[in-house]
Amino acid sequence: KQEVTQIPAALSVPEGENLVLNCSFTDSAIYNLQWFRQDPGKGLTSLLLIQSSQREQTSGRLNASLDKSSGRSTLYIAASQPGDSATYLCAAGGTGAGSYQLTFGKGTKLSVIP
Amino acid sequence: NAGVMQNPRHLVRRRGQEARLRCSPMKGHSHVYWYRQLPEEGLKFMVYLQKENIIDESGMPKERFSAEFPKEGPSILRIQQVVRGDSAAYFCASSPTGGGFQETQYFGPGTRLLVL
Repeated sequence: KQEVTQIPAALSVPEGENLVLNCSFTDSAIYNLQWFRQDPGKGLTSLLLIQSSQREQTSGRLNASLDKSSGRSTLYIAASQPGDSATYLCAAGGTGAGSYQLTFGKGTKLSVIP
Repeated sequence: NAGVMQNPRHLVRRRGQEARLRCSPMKGHSHVYWYRQLPEEGLKFMVYLQKENIIDESGMPKERFSAEFPKEGPSILRIQQVVRGDSAAYFCASSPTGGGFQETQYFGPGTRLLVL
């Protein structure tokens, strides 16, 4: 059974800092690893998806890496802004016939202080 | 192009009542997934449906919970005889196909269910 852990649970940084969010998963036989953003009272927004054969993906100030062998992924946010404040969720995409099944971590709540 | 729509956004029920949660997938998407987020917990997969078919309900509690995705209309998650432990946020997601290496799921805003 896949388990996803995110560290830290909460993080507070001053505006402009670069930061790293960590995600670990127990079963390395995944289709992909996805990062989502969740704002209070709202749904999830997909940020980045890394296929199992890839090492990293970039979108603007965001960079996500994947190391399947060690069961780890990181989300790097450059030059953080107050608008980045949200909860960031990591999700491991299932394997085989269950490729659609996402297993989520509990998230990292990020606060960027102006 | 509207995203995934869920209604109601908030639902209050007393113990023993029924809760019906609705989800309309994105246009062109025929695959629907329901997830539950209990307080202080991560989202947990409940069920995967295609039109008129339940593909995988391995995450659904065995009793009181059911889901459907009819040929016409939204997907419905139904909870009978609700208990306080059912209080959670219920999210619906949709996708154009049923998974794979490069497919993400598009999530709705969720329904917050509170059982008194």
